[in-house]
Amino acid sequence: GENVEQHPSTLSVQEGDSAVIKCTYSDSASNYFPWYKQELGKRPQLIIDIRSNVGEKKDQRIAVTLNKTAKHFSLHITETQPEDSAVYFCAARETGGFKTIFGAGTRLFVKA
Amino acid sequence: ETGVTQTPRHLVMGMTNKKSLKCEQHLGHNAMYWYKQSAKKPLELMFVYNFKEQTENNSVPSRFSPECPNSSHLFLHLHTLQPEDSALYLCASSQEAGDGSDAYEQYFGPGTRLTVT
Repeated sequence: GENVEQHPSTLSVQEGDSAVIKCTYSDSASNYFPWYKQELGKRPQLIIDIRSNVGEKKDQRIAVTLNKTAKHFSLHITETQPEDSAVYFCAARETGGFKTIFGAGTRLFVKA
Repeated sequence: ETGVTQTPRHLVMGMTNKKSLKCEQHLGHNAMYWYKQSAKKPLELMFVYNFKEQTENNSVPSRFSPECPNSSHLFLHLHTLQPEDSALYLCASSQEAGDGSDAYEQYFGPGTRLTVT
């Protein structure tokens, strides 16, 4: 089955700097890679996703890149703001099934 | 209320108790999920229901028993739990292709914080 590893587990940046979170997956057939943000005491919410037929996707200050050959995908947040502080989860969806496997999460701190 | 709702929000139960968690989605989705979220661990998928049929059971102990009476409601029945089962239990829903050939955003509920004493 699919296995997703996520790094780093904790990331601290200064407001205005960029933050990068990296994930690797094991199943080359996985075709959907969402990123969820979970603020303290709140539910996870999708912030961006990418499908296997696309290499990069951008939405304002957030971008995701996918390298299918290396089975890596990354989340990039530019011009970070204190409200970006949260736990971010990457995930990979197995093809032909309904299982989404999540990474362990990255706790991002943005210092004002 | 819109989106995905869960009740109760907090639950404390003894190891010999029987309780149920309830999830309701108001999004017209056809797939619903139970996840377990423990401290410093990934979100663990427990069960998936697609079109009211259970399609995934991720090696979950039998003391957890899911029920999906229709596409809008999902229950998790709990009995003789262990202290290590204390966690946040999250329900989610999504709109899926029937064969799982494509994937879409999952919408999560607020979770039930379960403490087993």
